[in-house]
Amino acid sequence: DTEVTQTPKHLVMGMTNKKSLKCEQHMGHRAMYWYKQKAKKPPELMFVYSYEKLSINESVPSRFSPECPNSSLLNLHLHALQPEDSALYLCASSQDLQLADTGELFFGEGSRLTVL
Amino acid sequence: GQNIDQPTEMTATEGAIVQINCTYQTSGFNGLFWYQQHAGEAPTFLSYNVLDGLEEKGRFSSFLSRSKGYSYLLLKELQMKDSASYLCAVRVGYQKVTFGIGTKLQVIP
Repeated sequence: DTEVTQTPKHLVMGMTNKKSLKCEQHMGHRAMYWYKQKAKKPPELMFVYSYEKLSINESVPSRFSPECPNSSLLNLHLHALQPEDSALYLCASSQDLQLADTGELFFGEGSRLTVL
Repeated sequence: GQNIDQPTEMTATEGAIVQINCTYQTSGFNGLFWYQQHAGEAPTFLSYNVLDGLEEKGRFSSFLSRSKGYSYLLLKELQMKDSASYLCAVRVGYQKVTFGIGTKLQVIP
């Protein structure tokens, strides 16, 4: 299994809603990532989890709250979002970061979020 | 922070060879990736270079010069399906991978 699975594929929410994006991988990877990608722009790093601990937060607003319940799962909790947060949210995973591996990122298909 | 530059658009002919350049300025450099992204899809891994030199993988090759902060992706025998965005990405330390703006390649018959 070389897949990273993201749900839902599409999400429409109002600015007062609370929703969550989910990501799952079964490749035994110990690093998981959230990226945000707006149209015609490159993916922008949001968060990195390493061994289920948050290791990087790229100054992301607190209305985005990541969670890593176990080594296979990564969630992104959304609350009080703004219309400008509408984007494609990509989850990725990679092997043990503490080894000198290539660090290849395996991406999911993404969750396309629209905030009304 | 990182500064990654690559051309925004390129056009090439089916069957030809195209070279996509990437320059970067960063501290803590620990490797450079090339990813392919078709419109509306997730990026997919093409190559990884951490040492100077050329890495070849089928029709795709990637080159790195760390002293010059320079890489290129070479695509041979272009096919229509190669029309996509090609993202240069720099790894800093073990955990942070930052993407360039991407080069949109259009392959024409």
